[in-house]
Amino acid sequence: GIQVEQSPPDLILQEGANSTLRCNFSDSVNNLQWFHQNPWGQLINLFYIPSGTKQNGRLSATTVATERYSLLYISSSQTTDSGVYFCAVPTRTSGNTGKLIFGQGTTLQVKP
Amino acid sequence: DSGVTQTPKHLITATGQRVTLRCSPRSGDLSVYWYQQSLDQGLQFLIQYYNGEERAKGNILERFSAQQFPDLHSELNLSSLELGDSALYFCASSVGSGGLNEQFFGPGTRLTVL
Repeated sequence: GIQVEQSPPDLILQEGANSTLRCNFSDSVNNLQWFHQNPWGQLINLFYIPSGTKQNGRLSATTVATERYSLLYISSSQTTDSGVYFCAVPTRTSGNTGKLIFGQGTTLQVKP
Repeated sequence: DSGVTQTPKHLITATGQRVTLRCSPRSGDLSVYWYQQSLDQGLQFLIQYYNGEERAKGNILERFSAQQFPDLHSELNLSSLELGDSALYFCASSVGSGGLNEQFFGPGTRLTVL
């Protein structure tokens, strides 16, 4: 099945710094989602981005489907950005299913 | 707030017991998914229902079962619980059933088996 790898596994930043998180996937995909899991465990949708670039405030994401990767940019990081960032892609098994395969996540800690 | 609700938020029980986790999807969503997040396995897909019918199965144990009711809410039943079943269980929903649909996640149910 499809493999999803995220890097780096851990990241420590000073408040105000910028960062780039990467998600590589082993097969072509028709969808990709980025999530933020906050310290309380909630999974928050950040981007639905099968291709191209999207921006939402200090966050932006780019997916290059032909090269099988996606990047999440965080600018001017804040302590509230701390948590785990996951990317997830649907499998392309037979049948019309939306089963998501998640990467192992990038744990971000932003220090004040 | 994603619009997906899950109850209860926390559940503490003993080995061998049975529990039921409940999920209500966002208004208008027909698909419901269940995922398990454990420390050693990460986030893993368990099962998907679409408009009351099972659509896909992942690594769901035989001791676990789920269903989606006519009002589209779903329940995940976990029986003969073991210590290793302790995890965060998420429900997600989407409008359609395929991979092109964005999934929205509930707040999760944290299960602790003692």
